[in-house]
Amino acid sequence: AQSVTQPDIHITVSEGASLELRCNYSYGATPYLFWYVQSPGQGLQLLLKYFSGDTLVQGIKGFEAEFKRSQSSFNLRKPSVHWSDAAEYFCAVGPDNTDKLIFGTGTRLQVFP
Amino acid sequence: KAGVTQTPRYLIKTRGQQVTLSCSPISGHRSVSWYQQTPGQGLQFLFEYFSETQRNKGNFPGRFSGRQFSNSRSEMNVSTLELGDSALYLCASSLLNMGTGELFFGEGSRLTVL
Repeated sequence: AQSVTQPDIHITVSEGASLELRCNYSYGATPYLFWYVQSPGQGLQLLLKYFSGDTLVQGIKGFEAEFKRSQSSFNLRKPSVHWSDAAEYFCAVGPDNTDKLIFGTGTRLQVFP
Repeated sequence: KAGVTQTPRYLIKTRGQQVTLSCSPISGHRSVSWYQQTPGQGLQFLFEYFSETQRNKGNFPGRFSGRQFSNSRSEMNVSTLELGDSALYLCASSLLNMGTGELFFGEGSRLTVL
């Protein structure tokens, strides 16, 4: 079955600290992988995506993610977190030619000054 | 360029009623999809439309339906509302005709069923 697992429900970091949010997926074919962010009361915004090619992808707001096929992982990283990064982060997987995505349960990020 | 617009933003209904939610995609986007977001089930795919045709449907009962108009605007309808239908309903549009998951989301319609 196709699924996405985000093992960390809630993460707290200090401003300026590095961040890594974990994402593991189960998918039969070559996946298209995404990270979305949702601020309170808002819709989701695409941070970055992986379709093929270079396994380290750069996104907006200084985020990057690395696709590791052997580990079925697509972890999101940021070297230095800002208070404005506090939000909920969703990893998602989908096939090509469709907008039908499978989302993980999300990781809520809290940033302390 | 205006983003994805969803109306109404908030609504309260009672069990047994029906509701219609509207979504206007970003200009030029022809693919519209709908997702339900709840604390218990997270984000779940409802439908995907392209050129007025439903391309994909999620695992929801027949009470959930949708459609897309020739101007790409979309509506979804939920009939015979149940308490469990309380959720944030998110609409998203995409630019690429074939759909690649690069979705632009609206702020959602928050439905409360009493």
